[in-house]
Amino acid sequence: NAGVTQTPKFQVLKTGQSMTLQCAQDMNHEYMSWYRQDPGMGLRLIHYSVGAGITDQGEVPNGYNVSRSTTEDFPLRLLSAAPSQTSVYFCASSYSRTPSYNEQFFGPGTRLTVL
Amino acid sequence: ILNVEQSPQSLHVQEGDSTNFTCSFPSSNFYALHWYRWETAKSPEALFVMTLNGDEKKKGRISATLNTKEGYSYLYIKGSQPEDSATYLCAFIVGRDDKIIFGKGTRLHILP
Repeated sequence: NAGVTQTPKFQVLKTGQSMTLQCAQDMNHEYMSWYRQDPGMGLRLIHYSVGAGITDQGEVPNGYNVSRSTTEDFPLRLLSAAPSQTSVYFCASSYSRTPSYNEQFFGPGTRLTVL
Repeated sequence: ILNVEQSPQSLHVQEGDSTNFTCSFPSSNFYALHWYRWETAKSPEALFVMTLNGDEKKKGRISATLNTKEGYSYLYIKGSQPEDSATYLCAFIVGRDDKIIFGKGTRLHILP
C-alpha cells in the first residue's frame, strides 16, 4: 500500500493563478480531509469528506473547492491563488465515515508558495 | 468557535527525565480525542485514539489519560529519549459535524 499520496510536493504560483493539489489513498478509507499548516497556527481543517459524493466545509474553506467523485481521490482546488494561501497543505484519511474511532493517516504534504 | 488548547507551547526536557503536557477541549458534545506525534520534516502520526471518560492508553514509554467531564487529556512521556523530540498534537472530534479541530501542539525538545 502506498498509503496517502500527495502531488506535487512543491509548487510556486503567481497571484490569481489556479491549481489543483492532488490527494489519493489506496486503503479504501471513507473519510478524507485537507488541512493547512501555518507557523503558530497548528493544523486547520479546510474541507472534508465522509464518503464519495459528500463534502463539507472545515474551519478555513474560503478560496478552496473540493470534490470526491471516487473513494480514492480528494483533490483540492485553489480558485484564484492569493499570498495568504502560502502554506503547507496536508491531506489525511481514516477508515470509517466518522473520524471519531479511527486514527488519521497523513500524506507527505505539499508546500505551496504564492507570489 | 470551538477551542482546543495545548500547554505548554514548548518544553525543554533533559534526557532521561519524565514529562507531561495538557490538551484542553470543550467538555460538551465530546466524541473523541486523538493524539499525534509530528517529527520535523515528516507527517503527523497517530499515537492514541481516546473515546471514553477515564480512558488510559499506553504505547511504550508514552501514555495518555482522558477526562471528558472536565475537558482535558494528559500525555506523559517516561524517561525521555532524543527520539521523543517532536511536536505533539491533540485533535478534538466534533461528532455531530465529523469535524476535527487540532490544537496548536506542544513542541518537545529533549536535551542530551
